[in-house]
Amino acid sequence: GENVEQHPSTLSVQEGDSAVIKCTYSDSASNYFPWYKQELGKRPQLIIDIRSNVGEKKDQRIAVTLNKTAKHFSLHITETQPEDSAVYFCAASRGPSGGSYIPTFGRGTSLIVHP
Amino acid sequence: KAGVTQTPRYLIKTRGQQVTLSCSPISGHRSVSWYQQTPGQGLQFLFEYFSETQRNKGNFPGRFSGRQFSNSRSEMNVSTLELGDSALYLCASSWAQGRTEAFFGQGTRLTVV
Repeated sequence: GENVEQHPSTLSVQEGDSAVIKCTYSDSASNYFPWYKQELGKRPQLIIDIRSNVGEKKDQRIAVTLNKTAKHFSLHITETQPEDSAVYFCAASRGPSGGSYIPTFGRGTSLIVHP
Repeated sequence: KAGVTQTPRYLIKTRGQQVTLSCSPISGHRSVSWYQQTPGQGLQFLFEYFSETQRNKGNFPGRFSGRQFSNSRSEMNVSTLELGDSALYLCASSWAQGRTEAFFGQGTRLTVV
């Protein structure tokens, strides 16, 4: 099955700095890569996603890049703010597959933004 | 549009008991997936239901089971609870007509004592 590795497990930055979280996946058939943000005590929420036919996607201060050859994808957050502090999960899946969507998640990165 | 609703939010059970958790997906979503989240293991996939049928299953023992009703609401059952079953159980729903984004509920925090 799919295996997703996520690094680093903890990332501490100063407000205004950039943060980069990297994930690798093992299944070359995976074609959908979402990123979720989970604040303490809250549900994971989708913040950005990318499909395998695209190399990069940007949404304001966040961007995701995908390298299908190397089977890795990254989340980039620029101009970090204290409210960006949360656990970030990457995931990979073959979606849609028979109409369903089963992601394999990375172990998460705890991002801490110091004011 | 109402989000994914999970009940109850918190639950304390004794070893050996069984428990049933409920998940109501976003209206129109037909796929419901369940996950177990623990500090040590992260987010682990339990199973997925679509149109009342279990389509995929993760690597969990048979004590973990589920079902989906015709209105897409889903229940998850854990029998013979063990201390290690203490976790946050999350469900996620998605619109399976070519849309793959999954939306999570708030979760049920299960504590087994």
